[in-house]
Amino acid sequence: NAGVTQTPKFQVLKTGQSMTLQCAQDMNHNSMYWYRQDPGMGLRLIYYSASEGTTDKGEVPNGYNVSRLNKREFSLRLESAAPSQTSVYFCASRSSYEQYFGPGTRLTVT
Amino acid sequence: AQSVTQLGSHVSVSEGALVLLRCNYSSSVPPYLFWYVQYPNQGLQLLLKYTSAATLVKGINGFEAEFKKSETSFHLTKPSAHMSDAAEYFCAVSTPYSGAGSYQLTFGKGTKLSVIP
Repeated sequence: NAGVTQTPKFQVLKTGQSMTLQCAQDMNHNSMYWYRQDPGMGLRLIYYSASEGTTDKGEVPNGYNVSRLNKREFSLRLESAAPSQTSVYFCASRSSYEQYFGPGTRLTVT
Repeated sequence: AQSVTQLGSHVSVSEGALVLLRCNYSSSVPPYLFWYVQYPNQGLQLLLKYTSAATLVKGINGFEAEFKKSETSFHLTKPSAHMSDAAEYFCAVSTPYSGAGSYQLTFGKGTKLSVIP
């Protein structure tokens, strides 16, 4: 039981490049989330998916898109990366009221 | 709307001293409250949670927190700090309701705890 996994662990992009961050969970949870963590800002919700086939915007959705591919997988896409998107990205899934977090992806945009 | 305020972005304590990390919340409905810990270059790990049962909640690694509705607080304490407690701690609030956005977590900005030998 791996819990929540994220790939890649690290990524460096140039401004304007695109990429997809992958997240998968093996706990059969319906709800999944994407957060970004910036120094002194805590974690902020980008997008979430309450169930397979649904997605909704969180607090900071601009510049991102998501896909809930199936119950296990929830991906985050940056279409045209900007330096302001340099951050650590965390995926989470929820059982009842408790969220379980992945190890994170550290993204640098130059 | 819900929000969380953590007082003090950095807290330093001596090894063996009391740890007190402060968290105040605002919520229009009875909240669920959480403390998470993040060690350097790692993800978030749940320390403890309050979900409307006992107001004094015990978590892992000797931490506990007390829900005080009148003060809208959920401060985290540990009687005796250990070097291994050095990490960043996040308080979070969630409001349970039905609907697509249920149980969304709102995080505080975090408190970095340093333990001095």
